[in-house]
Amino acid sequence: SQLAEENLWALSVHEGESVTVNCSYKTSITALQWYRQKSGEGPAQLILIRSNEREKRNGRLRATLDTSSQSSSLSITATRCEDTAVYFCATVLSSGSWQLIFGSGTQLTVMP
Amino acid sequence: ETAVFQTPNYHVTQVGNEVSFNCKQTLGHDTMYWYKQDSKKLLKIMFSYNNKQLIVNETVPRRFSPQSSDKAHLNLRIKSVEPEDSAVYLCASSYEGNERLFFGHGTKLSVL
Repeated sequence: SQLAEENLWALSVHEGESVTVNCSYKTSITALQWYRQKSGEGPAQLILIRSNEREKRNGRLRATLDTSSQSSSLSITATRCEDTAVYFCATVLSSGSWQLIFGSGTQLTVMP
Repeated sequence: ETAVFQTPNYHVTQVGNEVSFNCKQTLGHDTMYWYKQDSKKLLKIMFSYNNKQLIVNETVPRRFSPQSSDKAHLNLRIKSVEPEDSAVYLCASSYEGNERLFFGHGTKLSVL
């Protein structure tokens, strides 16, 4: 079973709008990462947010982490067509394993 | 730019055949991974390997095996493919303990 999962399989927005992808996870974590996978490519990391952080920014991206509700969000402002991709959250377990477990992904489509 | 290289990009084969996929990373990382991505984009870790330890996801069938000649290479061998093996196989690398993974573009396997 997946230890992390995004909420909502697919989202569509128009260019310039803002969008938020949510993620919930089930176990204690040391950090949570957001990855983006464009068509024909492998996933690429966008943001890593540690369990003692509440918010992290990277340009137009903003990630939040709420360890009490075991949830995270990734917001993208001023979306562009090239933001079209599948967005994954991924968790690093606190158990000491260095394996990364991915959620099921949200397909974001940004329309012109 | 890509620093994890996978070959081939695509492979079509028949049930029962043996296949082998190659992966090379030029980042100097000491840990490499294989993930399987199904048609719904679900990413499942199969193996993680460095020169100290091979970690195998217990759900991976025995017909799958990783093969490493040095820390820059981790190939994936499937001894006798089954229809359910049709998927995209993604190779990744990282420094041990560094949670950020760098992925290749994947090898798409179709089993007829």
